[in-house]
Amino acid sequence: DVKVTQSSRYLVKRTGEKVFLECVQDMDHENMFWYRQDPGLGLRLIYFSYDVKMKEKGDIPEGYSVSREKKERFSLILESASTNQTSMYLCASKTSGSREQFFGPGTRLTVL
Amino acid sequence: AQSVTQLGSHVSVSEGALVLLRCNYSSSVPPYLFWYVQYPNQGLQLLLKYTTGATLVKGINGFEAEFKKSETSFHLTKPSAHMSDAAEYFCAVDFNKFYFGSGTKLNVKP
Repeated sequence: DVKVTQSSRYLVKRTGEKVFLECVQDMDHENMFWYRQDPGLGLRLIYFSYDVKMKEKGDIPEGYSVSREKKERFSLILESASTNQTSMYLCASKTSGSREQFFGPGTRLTVL
Repeated sequence: AQSVTQLGSHVSVSEGALVLLRCNYSSSVPPYLFWYVQYPNQGLQLLLKYTTGATLVKGINGFEAEFKKSETSFHLTKPSAHMSDAAEYFCAVDFNKFYFGSGTKLNVKP
């Protein structure tokens, strides 16, 4: 079974802190994604990566950056956390030959 | 821009009743279609998907969905609801990029 893991299930940070959210997948998937999920808005794509060191902006990249130094790991970075970044963050991965995305359990981030 | 619409942010049914969750998409080209389920404080789990072929797709936990091109719909159904079906359900379409609906929370009453 494909496994996508995220470093934390719950995280509380202060405004202005630099925040790292880590995602690791174990199925050699080329493509990885970061979404944020807010009530009534569904999932919105922040960034995605189709290869190591490659990244593309999604629909809401402002205030975020990403890093993909190894194929299995995709990190989401909040350079200076703000209260409006309080949300659930979901990581997903898929192989290039498939349409199906596999999701991690999510990280619920609260910025105070 | 492409869009996915899920009618009803909350749906409540009695245990044993029919479940119907609606999903419509905007496109003249048939996309790839998915339904995901999210249990509280968990990630998304794939219920079923339509890529090509048979328009009636069966998924896990007794759910199924029918792709209707003329109606641009992909509604999710289950003949008899169970308490364990209480969760949030997301419809998604892939137009070379995933678009998610805003979700429907299903409540199952005893």
